[in-house]
Amino acid sequence: ELKVEQNPLFLSMQEGKNYTIYCNYSTTSDRLYWYRQDPGKSLESLFVLLSNGAVKQEGRLMASLDTKARLSTLHITAAVHDLSATYFCAVAQYNNNDMRFGAGTRLTVKP
Amino acid sequence: NAGVTQTPKFRVLKTGQSMTLLCAQDMNHEYMYWYRQDPGMGLRLIHYSVGEGTTAKGEVPDGYNVSRLKKQNFLLGLESAAPSQTSVYFCASSLNTEAFFGQGTRLTVV
Repeated sequence: ELKVEQNPLFLSMQEGKNYTIYCNYSTTSDRLYWYRQDPGKSLESLFVLLSNGAVKQEGRLMASLDTKARLSTLHITAAVHDLSATYFCAVAQYNNNDMRFGAGTRLTVKP
Repeated sequence: NAGVTQTPKFRVLKTGQSMTLLCAQDMNHEYMYWYRQDPGMGLRLIHYSVGEGTTAKGEVPDGYNVSRLKKQNFLLGLESAAPSQTSVYFCASSLNTEAFFGQGTRLTVV
């Protein structure tokens, strides 16, 4: 059964610092997603990664995928307060589109 | 475009009552999902559907039933609500890439 693990679960950062969130999954997968959720809100799609070595960047966030290691990373560069949110990775398999989520990383960026 | 719409947004049920949550999408997506979100546990997949007339079990299907009679609608039913089903429920739809989520339904079972 597909399992998705994220770490860390909680992350407190100073503004201007860099950090990485890790997402490991247990079985071969076709697609890896990153979502953002603000408190009390729904989920917003950030990135979709479809192949080994895929890298996508949007502003201060960069996501990458290593399918051989079954690992994705979300790198935060020069964090700002507006990035405070919970970040989820999710993994799906093409044959059944069953999409499973990690537990989420609650990021707090402090001035 | 409304995207993904969930009704109701809030509901309080007594133990043993039944209810149906409705998810409607106007994007002509094939895939639809129901998740529950509990503190510290992320989102757990209850049931999903890969097309009209089809449904499949996810991680935590017990106590829930679903139906997809029309492509745009995915219904989640609780036949006999239990306090353990207190949660925030999210519906999502996709066309084989990222999923689009509804605003959630906060359900409390007392």
